[in-house]
Amino acid sequence: DGGITQSPKYLFRKEGQNVTLSCEQNLNHDAMYWYRQDPGQGLRLIYYSQIVNDFQKGDIAEGYSVSREKKESFPLTVTSAQKNPTAFYLCASSPNYEEGDGELFFGEGSRLTVL
Amino acid sequence: AQKITQTQPGMFVQEKEAVTLDCTYDTSDQSYGLFWYKQPSSGEMIFLIYQGSYDEQNATEGRYSLNFQKARKSANLVISASQLGDSAMYFCAMRLMDSSYKLIFGSGTRLLVRP
Repeated sequence: DGGITQSPKYLFRKEGQNVTLSCEQNLNHDAMYWYRQDPGQGLRLIYYSQIVNDFQKGDIAEGYSVSREKKESFPLTVTSAQKNPTAFYLCASSPNYEEGDGELFFGEGSRLTVL
Repeated sequence: AQKITQTQPGMFVQEKEAVTLDCTYDTSDQSYGLFWYKQPSSGEMIFLIYQGSYDEQNATEGRYSLNFQKARKSANLVISASQLGDSAMYFCAMRLMDSSYKLIFGSGTRLLVRP
């Protein structure tokens, strides 16, 4: 089935460690996104990529890094510079603008807890 | 700056009744899109309905309808005949019709359907 796969679903990290969250899509979508969600709050954009080998910072990019070496993959690294990394992370993708209304398709999320 | 406001942190509705979830938005752009997503306790984001700023008719998708009042900049979600499975967080989001494809999300409304 087509969709977006995020892994791991749950992750624990010690302070000072970097951690990478995986996001893979087989929808052949051009654009991919990473959002962060804190308890009881909405989603905030971390990074997004509209094409392979190119990405842009979102509203809360500090302490995070991404890469887009393949169309289907958009991993997110939470670095030790991120002061408060405990959160729920959602990856999403969308087709080319001309192909739809801009609906985002989401993965099931990764919950990161810093111990 | 673009912004989405959801003023109802939580709401209750009796099973089989209708409920309206409020959403107001702020943008100076003429072209934009409005979305509603449902987030069950499992965490995934489920697309419900879309309204384009130039659409003259309110969008409908099954039991979901979007009450779009452009002059008031509101895009309220109406759920008819509520079911127990409708209990979830609901997010309103806006997409600007630029090249970024980004969605801006509100803080969400938690809906609880009572049997």
